[in-house]
Amino acid sequence: GAVVSQHPSRVICKSGTSVKIECRSLDFQATTMFWYRQFPKQSLMLMATSNEGSKATYEQGVEKDKFLINHASLTLSTLTVTSAHPEDSSFYICSALDRNTEAFFGQGTRLTVV
Amino acid sequence: QQQVKQSPQSLIVQKGGISIINCAYENTAFDYFPWYQQFPGKGPALLIAIRPDVSEKKEGRFTISFNKSAKQFSLHIMDSQPGDSATYFCAATGGYQKVTFGTGTKLQVIP
Repeated sequence: GAVVSQHPSRVICKSGTSVKIECRSLDFQATTMFWYRQFPKQSLMLMATSNEGSKATYEQGVEKDKFLINHASLTLSTLTVTSAHPEDSSFYICSALDRNTEAFFGQGTRLTVV
Repeated sequence: QQQVKQSPQSLIVQKGGISIINCAYENTAFDYFPWYQQFPGKGPALLIAIRPDVSEKKEGRFTISFNKSAKQFSLHIMDSQPGDSATYFCAATGGYQKVTFGTGTKLQVIP
């Protein structure tokens, strides 16, 4: 199957700083990527849909100014958590759709805000 | 609104047994139904998927059964192994749409 690389896998940051997470489709082009957040023992919650060359579409309740998404190329989408606070600590996962509309997921990023 | 309902929440099966996880969906526009396996601290990995034009798909020990009229589908893991212990998510999507996930089933296969 297709490979989606997410980086970093773990990050610890201080409260008030910003953190950028990268999601790359390594062997296919993805016009659409998704960002999810997952709390312990829970399912994945969709945060936003990222389309190459256009603004991201955010789910209800997700602050677009706090979670900045950029999808500048067909193989890269980034999620920046701005002014992070401890309550932003979570597991963030991206996925990318290939041309067959199958979704492939990154390895996830464990964010801890201290 | 939970568009994909999944049960059970947790499941314990003995090695060699059959694990069965059930899902039901509401949106008739869904046309692709994947199952994902997730290990702790990792992203979900596509396990097997089905489209509504078939009623069953088998890959190795994993089988999806699909009932379009009832809007239900299930995952069967035959000869379950301890290495199958993970959380399983059913999902549904249509076209270039977001994937809607079930709530997850934590499977534990005991020796």
